Parts: sequence; C-alpha cells; structure tokens
Amino acid sequence: NAGVTQTPKFQVLKTGQSMTLQCAQDMNHNSMYWYRQDPGMGLRLIYYSASEGTTDKGEVPNGYNVSRLNKREFSLRLESAAPSQTSVYFCASKFGTGVTGELFFGEGSRLTVL
Amino acid sequence: AQSVTQLDSQVPVFEEAPVELRCNYSSSVSVYLFWYVQYPNQGLQLLLKYLSGSTLVESINGFEAEFNKSQTSFHLRKPSVHISDTAEYFCAVSDRGTGGFKTIFGAGTRLFVKA
Repeated sequence: NAGVTQTPKFQVLKTGQSMTLQCAQDMNHNSMYWYRQDPGMGLRLIYYSASEGTTDKGEVPNGYNVSRLNKREFSLRLESAAPSQTSVYFCASKFGTGVTGELFFGEGSRLTVL
Repeated sequence: AQSVTQLDSQVPVFEEAPVELRCNYSSSVSVYLFWYVQYPNQGLQLLLKYLSGSTLVESINGFEAEFNKSQTSFHLRKPSVHISDTAEYFCAVSDRGTGGFKTIFGAGTRLFVKA
C-alpha cells in the first residue's frame, strides 16, 4: 500500500541550480497535484493535472514546470532555484476529475535553497 | 475563484475541553467543503467533507462540522479533545479551474492540546 510516493524527501540546492521532484501514485487516480506549504500560508497549489495528458497552473506557478509522464507519475521541475522556493512540497492525487473526491497526499519533500 | 479563511492560526486548549476551529468560505452558488488534518511530519489526510444534504457532517474520531450557508461558515468542533488531536487542521474548498477541479486550502489552524 504505497499510495503516493515522493522523492527525494530532503534536498539542499544552491541558488540557480535545477532539480526535479518526482511523484508516483499506485491508486489508478486520474488527477494529480503539486502544492507547497509555507508557515502561516497553508498549502498553495502550484500546478495540477486533472487527467493524463493535461496540466494547468494553480495559484503560484512561477518558477516551476510540470510533466504528467503517464497516469501514475507527475513531476515538478525547478529550472533555476531561488531562496523563495525553500518550502515543503506535497504531491497529491484524486480518483476522479470532479469536485467531490478526496485528496491523498505524499509525505512531502523538504527543499532548502541557499 | 473560491477561497477559505481560517480565523485562528493557533488554538491552545486543555485535554477534555471542547474546541472550535473556525473557517469561512467565499460565497458561491455551489460549494464543496473539506477539513484535512496534518500530524507532525506527515502529509494531509481527509477528516470530513460537506458535499450536499445534511449540514452537519461527522468524522470517525469525534469531530463534526456544520455547513452554515447564511454565515458562509464551516466550523470544526469537538466536544472533548485528546492529546492525540494535537495537529494542524486545514479547511479547504473545491473550485473549478480552467483545467478541471482543484482544491484550495486555508492557512491552517494549529491545535495544541495540553495535559
């Protein structure tokens, strides 16, 4: 019962470096999401993919790109990391594409940009 | 676009006391509301949700929330809290985006239960 798996769990980058956060789910879910969590700001949506082959911007997409590689995998890429991107990143998935489904979350990836 | 506001960033309470965590949503014709809980160093998990029907919804661990359309609120309550309820609680709303439905979260309320 893996659910939603994120890698890596911890990463330290220097300003300007690039990296990709990987996310995979084994629940045959259609929709996948990337959020960032910052103190006092809750979770903010970066990008989402309502179904395989589609992606769309969330509340804070600047500085990020995503790829829905297949139904299982949804990656988040930072092309040129900035200190403002220091955060905890969560991947989540949902079975349907509608309004009522429950989100299932990974355990998070803690990223520090120096 | 839909949004939710959580009115308290931190709520300290003694064990076995009642607690209310407040959440207000932006007005809309149709609204679908959720409460998620995050225990330390974990991802979020669903606590309860309101989709339609009865305005009072309950979770399996004693929490309940009431959808109040006139006050645009969805407050979370528990009559008697336990130490193990210490966690961060997030109110959320489902919103339609250009690419499909997405879930928007509030800033969170940290519940701290003291012995």
